[in-house]
Amino acid sequence: QVQLQESGPGLVKPSETLSLTCTVSGGSISSYYWSWIRQPPGKGLEWIGYIYYSGSTSYNPSLKSRVTISVDTSKNQFSLKLNSVTAADTAVYYCARRVEVGGYFYYMDVWGKGTTVSVSS
Amino acid sequence: EIVLAQSPGTLSLSPGERATLSCRASQSVSTSYLAWYQQKPGQAPRLLIYGASSRATGIPDRFSGSGSGTDFTLTISRLEPEDFAVYYCQHCGDIKETFGQGTKVEI
Repeated sequence: QVQLQESGPGLVKPSETLSLTCTVSGGSISSYYWSWIRQPPGKGLEWIGYIYYSGSTSYNPSLKSRVTISVDTSKNQFSLKLNSVTAADTAVYYCARRVEVGGYFYYMDVWGKGTTVSVSS
Repeated sequence: EIVLAQSPGTLSLSPGERATLSCRASQSVSTSYLAWYQQKPGQAPRLLIYGASSRATGIPDRFSGSGSGTDFTLTISRLEPEDFAVYYCQHCGDIKETFGQGTKVEI
């Protein structure tokens, strides 16, 4: 079955760029949307954005000026870059598969285990 | 922007009891776009319900979803010990996707 694995630095300095990669195994990245979601310590889930395998994207307006999501179909990976980070960006970052069924149902059915990123000098 | 408000914040119940969780949208949403997730401590969220009322693969039938317009409900008919967790509703399928703030179901 499809599995997702996040990878990247666990510590990022303030004002620098957070970079994470999600590797898709057990299936193809094609024909799906792929999402990033984060969860600050002790808080709820925040949607960051998603990308279609062809490259089209949608971002949370509150983060849009700092976020870039990209896809590399040859590696079955997609990535997140968040620039100018502050302590408020400290969170567990999840990647997930976003499914559209017949243009009618929409949901995230496969999630990575998450990776903790702390922003600190 | 659609805002999802979940209530109550915390639900204190015992195994075997019925749990009723509410998710209210700030404006009418399509049932197609409403999903529910379960999250246990230290774990990623797990999809329970999509399309407001369709159970995801492998989800026990004690979990059910209902609602339309602005009011949606997740019901757990008889709580099992493994059901004590945090539950989130999500508006998924628009150019901006949002989560509710979560309801914690505790013993």
